[in-house]
Amino acid sequence: GDSVTQMEGPVTLSEEAFLTINCTYTATGYPSLFWYVQYPGEGLQLLLKATKADDKGSNKGFEATYRKETTSFHLEKGSVQVSDSAVYFCALTLMGRGSTLGRLYFGRGTQLTVWP
Amino acid sequence: KAGVTQTPRYLIKTRGQQVTLSCSPISGHRSVSWYQQTPGQGLQFLFEYFSETQRNKGNFPGRFSGRQFSNSRSEMNVSTLELGDSALYLCASSFPAGQPRDEQFFGPGTRLTVL
Repeated sequence: GDSVTQMEGPVTLSEEAFLTINCTYTATGYPSLFWYVQYPGEGLQLLLKATKADDKGSNKGFEATYRKETTSFHLEKGSVQVSDSAVYFCALTLMGRGSTLGRLYFGRGTQLTVWP
Repeated sequence: KAGVTQTPRYLIKTRGQQVTLSCSPISGHRSVSWYQQTPGQGLQFLFEYFSETQRNKGNFPGRFSGRQFSNSRSEMNVSTLELGDSALYLCASSFPAGQPRDEQFFGPGTRLTVL
């Protein structure tokens, strides 16, 4: 079935370190891919997205490239900050059919903690 | 533009009771989706509504139900609460029709605790 697998962490880094959070997917069709971030006590915020193969999503220094050949959408940031500490979720949606309408498929989330 | 709002933010109930949660989407958004978030199961899709019609439903028992009003506001109801229903319930809205490319905007969630 349709699913997302991401490294669960937790990931602990020092400020200015390089970040990679791996995400792979299984999808019956052509998904759109997303990274969401959740800060403590809050809902989810969209961090970036890519809607077709080879697209690169980017925002706030974070990047992810939609790799169809490896079914991956890894999140990267060159230099993390303490304020990046949060839980990161990889997610996908599929072209509309009954069982996928309005539905995001999420990975289990990766807790990132950045120390000063 | 106001974001997605959910009320109440926190709720404490006892087993066997029922509860109703409310979600007001971003103005102009017509699709509303609901998710349950727990430490054990992660984020799970409950259902999606568009133009007052449920178009999609996740794998939850019939105790979980919802509806959408003509102004796109949505409610979800859980009857006969169980301890395992304790979770953060998130609502998300999208424009215009919940198509895959449409970004889903999330509310802050309602934290339900069942005692």
